[in-house]
Amino acid sequence: AQKVTQAQTEISVVEKEDVTLDCVYETRDTTYYLFWYKQPPSGELVFLIRRNSFDEQNEISGRYSWNFQKSTSSFNFTITASQVVDSAVYFCALSEAWGSARQLTFGSGTQLTVLP
Amino acid sequence: NAGVTQTPKFQVLKTGQSMTLQCAQDMNHNSMYWYRQDPGMGLRLIYYSASEGTTDKGEVPNGYNVSRLNKREFSLRLESAAPSQTSVYFCASSEAETGAGNTIYFGEGSWLTVV
Repeated sequence: AQKVTQAQTEISVVEKEDVTLDCVYETRDTTYYLFWYKQPPSGELVFLIRRNSFDEQNEISGRYSWNFQKSTSSFNFTITASQVVDSAVYFCALSEAWGSARQLTFGSGTQLTVLP
Repeated sequence: NAGVTQTPKFQVLKTGQSMTLQCAQDMNHNSMYWYRQDPGMGLRLIYYSASEGTTDKGEVPNGYNVSRLNKREFSLRLESAAPSQTSVYFCASSEAETGAGNTIYFGEGSWLTVV
């Protein structure tokens, strides 16, 4: 069975600090997709990134970067120079079976608070 | 860009009452989903519709029914609400149910309280 673990329940940083959110997953499939979503205080879920299991290149998008390492089954998310607006709950998710949405498993989320 | 729109945003129900959560997407997606979010448990799939005309159970379907009204709309019905159904409900959609087109986009959530 697939599983996503976000061991950090809550993280608090001061603005402009860098912060890394950890995500460790378990799966028996060789083909799968990994996702990160952001849930700000307003409640909506915002898609951030999707990565398939064949693409281990790290990705950078502005202040956001993602480090995918199959060897350690991790898909970590780093925010550089954090801002107050980054305060949110961040969810990592895994989808097996060629990315079947009905098998999308979410981690329990990490609450990030960025203090001014 | 409306994306995925769900209504109502907030609702308080009495135990035993029924209600329907409405969801519509304007991205011409084939697949639609209903999730519930409970504290410390992430999101769990209630029902999904891989394509127009089909629906199937997810992880936690008991106490719910769904209708895929057309390609755009997917409703979730609580026939006899129970306090255990107090949760935040998210509708979502994706281009495809599997494969490269399955990035799932979510609505803004519906906060439901059953007293």
